[in-house]
Amino acid sequence: GENVEQHPSTLSVQEGDSAVIKCTYSDSASNYFPWYKQELGKRPQLIIDIRSNVGEKKDQRIAVTLNKTAKHFSLHITETQPEDSAVYFCAASSGGNQFYFGTGTSLTVIP
Amino acid sequence: DAGVIQSPRHEVTEMGQEVTLRCKPISGHDYLFWYRQTMMRGLELLIYFNNNVPIDDSGMPEDRFSAKMPNASFSTLKIQPSEPRDSAVYFCASSLLAGPYEQYFGPGTRLTVT
Repeated sequence: GENVEQHPSTLSVQEGDSAVIKCTYSDSASNYFPWYKQELGKRPQLIIDIRSNVGEKKDQRIAVTLNKTAKHFSLHITETQPEDSAVYFCAASSGGNQFYFGTGTSLTVIP
Repeated sequence: DAGVIQSPRHEVTEMGQEVTLRCKPISGHDYLFWYRQTMMRGLELLIYFNNNVPIDDSGMPEDRFSAKMPNASFSTLKIQPSEPRDSAVYFCASSLLAGPYEQYFGPGTRLTVT
């Protein structure tokens, strides 16, 4: 089955700096890569996703890049704000409906 | 729409007791997923349903766990008998289409087994 690895497990940045979280996957058939944000005590919520026919996608301060050849994808958050502090999960899916989640990155934005 | 609804939000029970967690998916969603989240193991898929039929239950940890979906608007996850290592947050999620597509998570049930 699919194996998704996520790094780093924790990340601290100063407010206004950029944050990058990286994930790798093992199944070349994976074609959908969502990113979820989970605030403390809350449910995971989708913040951005990308499909394998696209190399990059942006939504305001958030962007995701995908390298199918290397089987890795990354989340980029620019101009970080304290409200960006949360745990971020990447996931991969190969056409069925099952998501394989990474282990999460705890992001802290220091004011 | 109210989103995915789960009950109870918190459950504290003693080892050996039966626990039933409940989920109401978003109306019209065909897929329903049960996840378990712990610090050690992260988000684990336990089982998922399509049109009320279980599709993959390979994540169910053992026979003590069972899940049902008697109709399109209701699912249960049952643990009998419960053990302290079952303590976790259990999330239900639903999605609209085969695809894959975004899964919408419920607020979760925090289960503590003493």
